[in-house]
Amino acid sequence: NAGVTQTPKFQVLKTGQSMTLQCAQDMNHEYMSWYRQDPGMGLRLIHYSVGAGITDQGEVPNGYNVSRSTTEDFPLRLLSAAPSQTSVYFCASSHEAGTGANVLTFGAGSRLTVL
Amino acid sequence: GDSVTQMEGPVTLSEEAFLTINCTYTATGYPSLFWYVQYPGEGLQLLLKATKADDKGSNKGFEATYRKETTSFHLEKGSVQVSDSAVYFCALRTYNTDKLIFGTGTRLQVFP
Repeated sequence: NAGVTQTPKFQVLKTGQSMTLQCAQDMNHEYMSWYRQDPGMGLRLIHYSVGAGITDQGEVPNGYNVSRSTTEDFPLRLLSAAPSQTSVYFCASSHEAGTGANVLTFGAGSRLTVL
Repeated sequence: GDSVTQMEGPVTLSEEAFLTINCTYTATGYPSLFWYVQYPGEGLQLLLKATKADDKGSNKGFEATYRKETTSFHLEKGSVQVSDSAVYFCALRTYNTDKLIFGTGTRLQVFP
């Protein structure tokens, strides 16, 4: 039972480069989301999705794109990386959307450094 | 908007000491409240939750009670262990949104 799988675990980019962080879950969860974790700021929501074909912005969406073509996958794209995007990124999913009580299952994280 | 405030760390304790980590929230709806824990080098995992006022969540000796009158969800443990050293996050999720809002996290360090 893999849960939420994120790749890569570590990545170093130069300013202006683009890349995609991959997230896949095998639990048939409707809800998927991306957070970034920065020292002293906790976790901040970047984008989320309540089902295939539906995405919405969180607190800090600028500089990031997402899509949800399948239930299982929710990639996060950085179109032109900036040093301010140096962070640890977490993907998380839950079974149902819109109930409020469901628990998120987190991936192990992807550490991104932008030089 | 909805928000969570938790005490700053680090909290440093000796083994078997009593632990309290304060958490208060602001929400327009009726939130569910959560404590997540992050061990070094890992992702977050659920520690406990409460979905309505006066509910008590508990797990692994940790407890937290949903107090609507004080808008609080303080985490407590009677006797901490070295293995409890981690970062603890308080969070809320309201029924009218799908967003999980986190506090900034509190690092707990337990020494033998």
